[in-house]
Amino acid sequence: TQLLEQSPQFLSIQEGENLTVYCNSSSVFSSLQWYRQEPGEGPVLLVTVVTGGEVKKLKRLTFQFGDARKDSSLHITAAQPGDTGLYLCAGAQGGSEKLVFGKGTKLTVNP
Amino acid sequence: DTAVSQTPKYLVTQMGNDKSIKCEQNLGHDTMYWYKQDSKKFLKIMFSYNNKELIINETVPNRFSPKSPDKAHLNLHINSLELGDSAVYFCASSSQDGFNSPLHFGNGTRLTVT
Repeated sequence: TQLLEQSPQFLSIQEGENLTVYCNSSSVFSSLQWYRQEPGEGPVLLVTVVTGGEVKKLKRLTFQFGDARKDSSLHITAAQPGDTGLYLCAGAQGGSEKLVFGKGTKLTVNP
Repeated sequence: DTAVSQTPKYLVTQMGNDKSIKCEQNLGHDTMYWYKQDSKKFLKIMFSYNNKELIINETVPNRFSPKSPDKAHLNLHINSLELGDSAVYFCASSSQDGFNSPLHFGNGTRLTVT
């Protein structure tokens, strides 16, 4: 059973479009992290959200942590080809020292 | 300067062989990890070390043995390689043991077992 479900699995859009990817779980997390991974490289941290209902912005990227701390979303405005990559969410549960990753959303932004 | 570096980048070997992957971090972090990413891009933790002490050992076959000579290094030795071991292996580090610390990943070692 996958603890963190990410959707969609694949997303191909045109430059300038907006998009949202989701990270859902039936479990409560003390925090959620979002990473972006490009081909041939390791994942790179984008943001950590800790408080239920928290919204964080990183230029054109908006991250939200659900009120119940069971889900998170990433919204990209006016996507650019440089946003192409694999977006991974990772959740930490209180008392556990493991970070559990979702299976990722592969985003392709076409020029 | 590369923060987390792992070598080799690519490793092609035959079934039954023994191989090692090395990892070094220059971030001064206390905690290091090995993750395995399969062909579907699923990242799964294998091991975690905090200041040279094993903290997490997931259900990984005994053929996999991590070794941490000091807190800046965490190597992974694999005995009797099997076809199913083919994957990308990522080393990572974080500033403290625990779940809110961001992970800093190396660029991966692509292992292909033929």
